[in-house]
Amino acid sequence: GQNIDQPTEMTATEGAIVQINCTYQTSGFNGLFWYQQHAGEAPTFLSYNVLDGLEEKGRFSSFLSRSKGYSYLLLKELQMKDSASYLCAARSGGFKTIFGAGTRLFVKA
Amino acid sequence: DGGITQSPKYLFRKEGQNVTLSCEQNLNHDAMYWYRQDPGQGLRLIYYSQIVNDFQKGDIAEGYSVSREKKESFPLTVTSAQKNPTAFYLCASRAGQTTGELFFGEGSRLTVL
Repeated sequence: GQNIDQPTEMTATEGAIVQINCTYQTSGFNGLFWYQQHAGEAPTFLSYNVLDGLEEKGRFSSFLSRSKGYSYLLLKELQMKDSASYLCAARSGGFKTIFGAGTRLFVKA
Repeated sequence: DGGITQSPKYLFRKEGQNVTLSCEQNLNHDAMYWYRQDPGQGLRLIYYSQIVNDFQKGDIAEGYSVSREKKESFPLTVTSAQKNPTAFYLCASRAGQTTGELFFGEGSRLTVL
């Protein structure tokens, strides 16, 4: 079957670093995405990994291990505006993208 | 500016009525998608279309129908056969081959009274 697991909620302090983990099982795996979604809004693209390793983009980094079916999103220098849901998604085959339930991140002062 | 437009943003419907949600994109993307989002369940794929005049069922297609007569448009009809239609519906299109990230519309929130 196809399954994506990530924690339901996390809390972190402004200025700190937080790591959001994701494990996946998908047939025809062809890439791992992270999206950010603020409440009541559409998801927006953050990162994409298809090969093993770390991709860095400003304050956000994403890691992938294909052999372990594992990814994480690392957020540095947390800001209050980073409070949102973070969605892990895997592309299956050519056109299908499967989403996890999302991790709600609360950033406190 | 290029983007995806969904309408209406909010919609109320009585039980037994069909309703159609509009999705238009001017990004020149071939692939388009409809997702449903419920609290605590993330996004679930309803239907997707790779090219004009072609579409495939996603994981929860029962009670829904789509058409893809034009590249720019991918409307979703929520029929009376959908048992629990109250949800947040998101339309998306897919970028080029390099990364394939999805671009989302702002969503349509459907409430069945």
